[in-house]
Amino acid sequence: GESVGLHLPTLSVQEGDNSIINCAYSNSASDYFIWYKQESGKGPQFIIDIRSNMDKRQGQRVTVLLNKTVKHLSLQIAATQPGDSAVYFCAENSGGSNYKLTFGKGTLLTVNP
Amino acid sequence: IAGITQAPTSQILAAGRRMTLRCTQDMRHNAMYWYRQDLGLGLRLIHYSNTAGTTGKGEVPDGYSVSRANTDDFPLTLASAVPSQTSVYFCATSQGHTDTQYFGPGTRLTVL
Repeated sequence: GESVGLHLPTLSVQEGDNSIINCAYSNSASDYFIWYKQESGKGPQFIIDIRSNMDKRQGQRVTVLLNKTVKHLSLQIAATQPGDSAVYFCAENSGGSNYKLTFGKGTLLTVNP
Repeated sequence: IAGITQAPTSQILAAGRRMTLRCTQDMRHNAMYWYRQDLGLGLRLIHYSNTAGTTGKGEVPDGYSVSRANTDDFPLTLASAVPSQTSVYFCATSQGHTDTQYFGPGTRLTVL
């Protein structure tokens, strides 16, 4: 999985499998987290978010899990499809009056048909 | 509804030239942001604006300036472009400065 600050890891899965992309964050004061998907040549696209008062949130085929104890965030994609192939990265907001997102470097997900 | 538009899509620029990247939104979001994305470095905030009439510096503001005369437009200007400003530039918006940010399609800029 990725960490805010490390090289871009890769994950290769078969179509129909479930994918899990991980993200470690460093700021224990962060209270809001977002997962983005970025396809080649396009801008980042919002997938799902979660606030620090929650440990799980579900969307359509996606689930985000937050473990504040170990400062870990994960994105689960059910029944992965070729169209899910992209770079996924997490972002954290450490709060304060000036909203500032810290982005991870991303994980490249490749879905094999 | 277009959401966020950026122009140009791509540009090749000679070093020393002045360049303005345009960003326009139709979502009436209060906050707007400019990021650059470089391989291995991820997204880095250049400048931001929490509301029309105000701007602030991000992580890498040097060599860039912005203005926010109205809610919809947030142009980014490179006064005298240098090769290290070769990057993909993304504009983003959010309803309020603590809300989710949504990104435009990006401008690929090459400075020679």
